[in-house]
Amino acid sequence: KAGVTQTPRYLIKTRGQQVTLSCSPISGHRSVSWYQQTPGQGLQFLFEYFSETQRNKGNFPGRFSGRQFSNSRSEMNVSTLELGDSALYLCASSFPDSYGYTFGSGTRLTVV
Amino acid sequence: KQEVTQIPAALSVPEGENLVLNCSFTDSAIYNLQWFRQDPGKGLTSLLLIQSSQREQTSGRLNASLDKSSGRSTLYIAASQPGDSATYLCAVRGYTGANSKLTFGKGITLSVRP
Repeated sequence: KAGVTQTPRYLIKTRGQQVTLSCSPISGHRSVSWYQQTPGQGLQFLFEYFSETQRNKGNFPGRFSGRQFSNSRSEMNVSTLELGDSALYLCASSFPDSYGYTFGSGTRLTVV
Repeated sequence: KQEVTQIPAALSVPEGENLVLNCSFTDSAIYNLQWFRQDPGKGLTSLLLIQSSQREQTSGRLNASLDKSSGRSTLYIAASQPGDSATYLCAVRGYTGANSKLTFGKGITLSVRP
């Protein structure tokens, strides 16, 4: 079966712009989580959606937001981009919770 | 707040060596623990998942153990190969609320020399 698909793979944006990243989970998976990975901070949890509802949220500013659609696909939006937002953004899906997470290949965001 | 530690940050071994990667966590109330592998610039590949009620899981040359009471997990790699070179990440998941997410260690970057 198809894995977790993230688009686009690479993005270059300018400070102050906004960006939307997309994640399509494995078919049948209802939970989608987002993580930010940077060399300094490692992997940090952004938020998790389950059946279109935000189930959990990490400690990121309100510029970071997300949503999940009825087909379980999820989008993450970052507004007013800062240089520090440059990172690899990873999406993971799971269902049920006991089956663990499957990650996508990530979106590499560079803010210049 | 759950914290996950992986030491050392980097490891270099000759091919063929058996090795153990360590992971420790501060809160023993975990739902499960997952080991991942990450190649440079890539996403995470799940290696092994251990439920809180289990003591170990095996897949091929990999064996992961879990000791909740001491807050430790180990990933054993038998007969290491150059293709095993990657970063290995340990992550724990809590039960509910703010803890029902994966908390990651910083990873161990493994280099297997031919």
